[in-house]
Amino acid sequence: NAGVTQTPKFRVLKTGQSMTLLCAQDMNHEYMYWYRQDPGMGLRLIHYSVGEGTTAKGEVPDGYNVSRLKKQNFLLGLESAAPSQTSVYFCASRQPGRGTDTQYFGPGTRLTVL
Amino acid sequence: QQQVKQSPQSLIVQKGGISIINCAYENTAFDYFPWYQQFPGKGPALLIAIRPDVSEKKEGRFTISFNKSAKQFSLHIMDSQPGDSATYFCAASRPMEYGNKLVFGAGTILRVKS
Repeated sequence: NAGVTQTPKFRVLKTGQSMTLLCAQDMNHEYMYWYRQDPGMGLRLIHYSVGEGTTAKGEVPDGYNVSRLKKQNFLLGLESAAPSQTSVYFCASRQPGRGTDTQYFGPGTRLTVL
Repeated sequence: QQQVKQSPQSLIVQKGGISIINCAYENTAFDYFPWYQQFPGKGPALLIAIRPDVSEKKEGRFTISFNKSAKQFSLHIMDSQPGDSATYFCAASRPMEYGNKLVFGAGTILRVKS
């Protein structure tokens, strides 16, 4: 049981390049989330999904796109990377409902945009 | 706007001392208040959580104190140990909200000196 995994762990991009971050979970969770973590700003929600084939915008969605084609995977895309997107990205998952409130986080992807 | 305000930004405590981190929230609709612990290079993990129907919850050396009228909650770490050195995030969520989203505080970097 690997929990939540993220690929890659590190990446350096040049401004304007594109990339996709992959999140996978083996807990059969319905809900999945993408956050970015920046110093002094906590974790900010980028996009989330409440089930296969669904996506919704979070607090800071601009410049990112997501897809949830399979229940266990949640992809975060950067079409044209900007230096402002330099950050650590975390994926999380959980089951819906009261009593199953815990979000389980992956180990993160550190992205640098030059 | 920041819906959950966390203080202090950083904290240094001597081994065996008490670490106290405070959070304040605006939205009275919040009904779930977790604390997440994050070690360097890792993803956040749930430490302890509380709902507003109780004023205090204790798990080992970790205690959440909750003041509904003041819209504040705090994390107390008793007998702090060097292994507690980490970043701590408070968070909050609303009941029945689409996606069960968490709103995070900015984080507190705790260092316990041995």
